[in-house]
Amino acid sequence: SAVISQKPSRDICQRGTSLTIQCQVDSQVTMMFWYRQQPGQSLTLIATANQGSEATYESGFVIDKFPISRPNLTFSTLTVSNMSPEDSSIYLCSVETRGPYEQYFGPGTRLTVT
Amino acid sequence: EDKVVQSPLSLVVHEGDTVTLNCSYEVTNFRSLLWYKQEKKAPTFLFMLTSSGIEKKSGRLSSILDKKELFSILNITATQTGDSAVYLCAPRRDNNNDMRFGAGTRLTVKP
Repeated sequence: SAVISQKPSRDICQRGTSLTIQCQVDSQVTMMFWYRQQPGQSLTLIATANQGSEATYESGFVIDKFPISRPNLTFSTLTVSNMSPEDSSIYLCSVETRGPYEQYFGPGTRLTVT
Repeated sequence: EDKVVQSPLSLVVHEGDTVTLNCSYEVTNFRSLLWYKQEKKAPTFLFMLTSSGIEKKSGRLSSILDKKELFSILNITATQTGDSAVYLCAPRRDNNNDMRFGAGTRLTVKP
């Protein structure tokens, strides 16, 4: 498995501001992903964080709104930009470990936008 | 378009009962299917299934995959109140290894 930490664990932010969420894993992993879980919903993939290159975004998510960085094999950030109340969600970092390629989640960041 | 359907959406049982949770999927470039348990914020990994017909077991939980009929089941025997959670299945695609999540089954185990 992998030990994954996320910071912050929760935050309350004002409309129009930005928040950067950090994801750190204790070992080198093959893939890192960012998911969102809106209240009462299941998980939706935002993007795949690619090391050393631009992230790959899913339909409905754009780089200007959710810029992602992955400077090395163990760290990634997700920024939620120009926030609105609709961005209130749990944001989860997920990693795929090297063989057997299982996927684990970080503890999540609960974001509330007022 | 990828589709993941879990059933039932909600289930209430008593301690000691056995439950079967279902997951059917239509996903392009299917590679594997993962099951998670979500109690509060983060989903906890349960199983990863890659081959048909091979049961994976962990204590009272077991799961199996049918790649021909495109479904998986998760069994929990002798349920306990601590099994109360949302159970999520997530087929994973081969090209990018990303997961597509079902809506989940909310299991409530009453004492």
